[in-house]
Formats: sequence, C-alpha cells, structure tokens
Amino acid sequence: ETGVTQSPTHLIKTRGQQVTLRCSSQSGHNTVSWYQQALGQGPQFIFQYYREEENGRGNFPPRFSGLQFPNYSSELNVNALELDDSALYLCASSLSLKGEQFFGPGTRLTVL
Amino acid sequence: SQQGEEDPQALSIQEGENATMNCSYKTSINNLQWYRQNSGRGLVHLILIRSNEREKHSGRLRVTLDTSKKSSSLLITASRAADTASYFCATGETGANNLFFGTGTRLTVIP
Repeated sequence: ETGVTQSPTHLIKTRGQQVTLRCSSQSGHNTVSWYQQALGQGPQFIFQYYREEENGRGNFPPRFSGLQFPNYSSELNVNALELDDSALYLCASSLSLKGEQFFGPGTRLTVL
Repeated sequence: SQQGEEDPQALSIQEGENATMNCSYKTSINNLQWYRQNSGRGLVHLILIRSNEREKHSGRLRVTLDTSKKSSSLLITASRAADTASYFCATGETGANNLFFGTGTRLTVIP
C-alpha cells in the first residue's frame, strides 16, 4: 500500500509569484486536508477536500486555493506569494471525513 | 490559531529515562491524537485517545486524557536516542473534521 506522497520536496519562489503543490493520497482515501507549518510552530489547517468538494477552511486568505481530482489526489495553489508563506506544507489523507489522517512528508516552500 | 499548548517546549533527557509531555486544549473534543515529527518532515501518527477514554497504551507509549481539565499527557518509557523528535498533540473538535495542533515539545534523548 502506497502512503501519502507530495511533490516537490523543496521549492524556492520569489514574492508575488504563484506556486502549485501536489499530493497523492493513500489508496482508497477520499479526503485530503492541507496544513501549513511555519518554523517552530504546529501545523495549521488550510482546508479540506472530500470527494472533490471543499469541506471546511481555516483562517487563510482566498489566494490559497485547492483542487481535488477524481482519483482523490489534490493540489494546493498559492497566488501572490508573500514572505510569510515560507513554511512546510503538509497534506494528509483519510478514509473518511473523521478518519485517522495520514500525513505526507511535506513540501518545504521558501519565498524570497 | 493553535488549539493546544504543549509543555514543556523543550525536554532533554538521558537514554533510558522516561519522558513526559503535557498538552492542554480549549474546546470540546471528540478525540486527541499525538504525532511525532523528525527534523521538520512529515508527521507520524502515534496514538489516538477518544474523549470517553482516560488512558491508552501502545508499546512504550502511555497517553492519558482528562476532559474535565482539558489536558492530556504523553509518557514515553525507557527512551532511546531514536525518540529524539518534536511531539505534537492534535485535537479533533466536536463538529469539525480537521485537526487542531499544539505548539509541540522538542524532545532530545542523549545517548
């Protein structure tokens, strides 16, 4: 059974650019959640997708958007990057909305 | 915003000693989970305790939950150098599907 994978591993962007991060959920999982983890902090919930629909959103501006595809993989898009967007972005998949969440290794985004 | 607070923020112990980390939270929860994170990478799920449970064991891990005090503790017995990591508690709130993480405890186990 393949676990949750994320790409790319690391990414460097400049302020104002746009970025797309990708996540492949664990086999059979229909729910994907995205989290942002700033250095020295705990992860903070960005949003969740369930069967291709957004199902809950944390306190993040609209320039953070996402997609979930029919195979339940997911993308996180961030427009107009700011320096404070530098963080580790984690996705987690689960079998159901309230199921145990399995995390991927994360994408380290640096905004210069 | 963070839901929980871990205490202490950092802990350094000798190999073989026990490590205890505490977590406090603010709202009504369905469950509380503990995760480990090595060197800023992905989170590894350690244990889940439901709101109607008071204690749970998994190998060298023991978790307690006191919903009246809105607190939980994680005990790692007979620690090993490989236990060096950051440990986070995360709450599954009533009515929410996402997890709310605490600020983490950085554990260092000295060989």
